[in-house]
Amino acid sequence: AQKITQTQPGMFVQEKEAVTLDCTYDTSDPSYGLFWYKQPSSGEMIFLIYQGSYDQQNATEGRYSLNFQKARKSANLVISASQLGDSAMYFCAMREVMEYGNKLVFGAGTILRVKS
Amino acid sequence: DTEVTQTPKHLVMGMTNKKSLKCEQHMGHRAMYWYKQKAKKPPELMFVYSYEKLSINESVPSRFSPECPNSSLLNLHLHALQPEDSALYLCASSQDRVRARTGELFFGEGSRLTVL
Repeated sequence: AQKITQTQPGMFVQEKEAVTLDCTYDTSDPSYGLFWYKQPSSGEMIFLIYQGSYDQQNATEGRYSLNFQKARKSANLVISASQLGDSAMYFCAMREVMEYGNKLVFGAGTILRVKS
Repeated sequence: DTEVTQTPKHLVMGMTNKKSLKCEQHMGHRAMYWYKQKAKKPPELMFVYSYEKLSINESVPSRFSPECPNSSLLNLHLHALQPEDSALYLCASSQDRVRARTGELFFGEGSRLTVL
């Protein structure tokens, strides 16, 4: 079974600084996908970034980058130049490919608070 | 703006009521999902529909009854719920795994349910 671990229940970061949110995973599948989602207090889950297990380079999307270390089974999210609007819950997730559809297994989440 | 629309945003119901949550997407996705999320916890998968057929039921109690009338709509019928069923119910959709490299789920803003 696949498992996602986020060990940081909460993090603080100063506005304009970078922050790293940790995520480790466990799977026996050679092919897998890792996702990060942001969930503001409004409730919507917002897709941020994706890393495939066979991708040669670390994924980047604007201020978000994924520090993918396959041998260590870690997929940490790096947010550069933090903004007040980045305050939210962040979930790391792994895709379990089913015959139909994709099942996402989520970690426990990390609450990020950006200080002005 | 999210491309997955959920109604109602808030619902309060008694334990004897019958109500429904609705979800709509117009992205041409053929997989749709219901997740349940308790406060400060990760979302938990309830049901997956693929090509309008129920493909995954994560042992959800029968007081929750999903329905997929067509490829754009997903309903969750609620009957005889318990106070512990109070939660945020998230709908999501995704492309089928053949066409989607990443297979990310697109989530709605959720329906916040309170059972009295």
